[in-house]
Amino acid sequence: AQTVTQSQPEMSVQEAETVTLSCTYDTSESDYYLFWYKQPPSRQMILVIRQEAYKQQNATENRFSVNFQKAAKSFSLKISDSQLGDAAMYFCAYRTSGTYKYIFGTGTRLKVLA
Amino acid sequence: DAGVTQSPTHLIKTRGQHVTLRCSPISGHKSVSWYQQVLGQGPQFIFQYYEKEERGRGNFPDRFSARQFPNYSSELNVNALLLGDSALYLCASSYRPSGDYGYTFGSGTRLTVV
Repeated sequence: AQTVTQSQPEMSVQEAETVTLSCTYDTSESDYYLFWYKQPPSRQMILVIRQEAYKQQNATENRFSVNFQKAAKSFSLKISDSQLGDAAMYFCAYRTSGTYKYIFGTGTRLKVLA
Repeated sequence: DAGVTQSPTHLIKTRGQHVTLRCSPISGHKSVSWYQQVLGQGPQFIFQYYEKEERGRGNFPDRFSARQFPNYSSELNVNALLLGDSALYLCASSYRPSGDYGYTFGSGTRLTVV
């Protein structure tokens, strides 16, 4: 069965600085999708970035980018020029083939310091 | 356009009671998934429905059931509530069940069982 591990329960970053959130996963599938979701206090899960496993190029969305290491089964999120609005819980998610369900990690709480 | 809407936003139930949670997907989205998020954990997959048919079920007891209506809205039903059912219940929608481009989540229903 697939698993997703986020080993950092909480991270802090100074405003305008860069922070990296870690995520590792375990799977025997070769084709899958990975996602980072942000959950602010409003509770709504918001898609930050997605990565297709068959693409070697790392995904980038404005200030957000990933470091996808397929062989190492690692999928970290880098947030550049951190803003106060980035403060939230961040969840790494793996989308299985077939059932299309998401498997989420336990989350990393990101604090942004002014 | 309205996002994914869930109702109610909060409710309190007594052990042994029954509860119905409702979800309206984004207009045009035909797939609805339900997730349970216990405090301090990542969401866990409960069900996925597409075109009114169940496409996937997570590891939840038969007390949990769901259905999707012709307008693609969905209901999640939980019978014989237990204290452990207290959680945030999230609904997510997408045009296709694969959700390759990510799901759009609602803000959830906070269920407290006393």
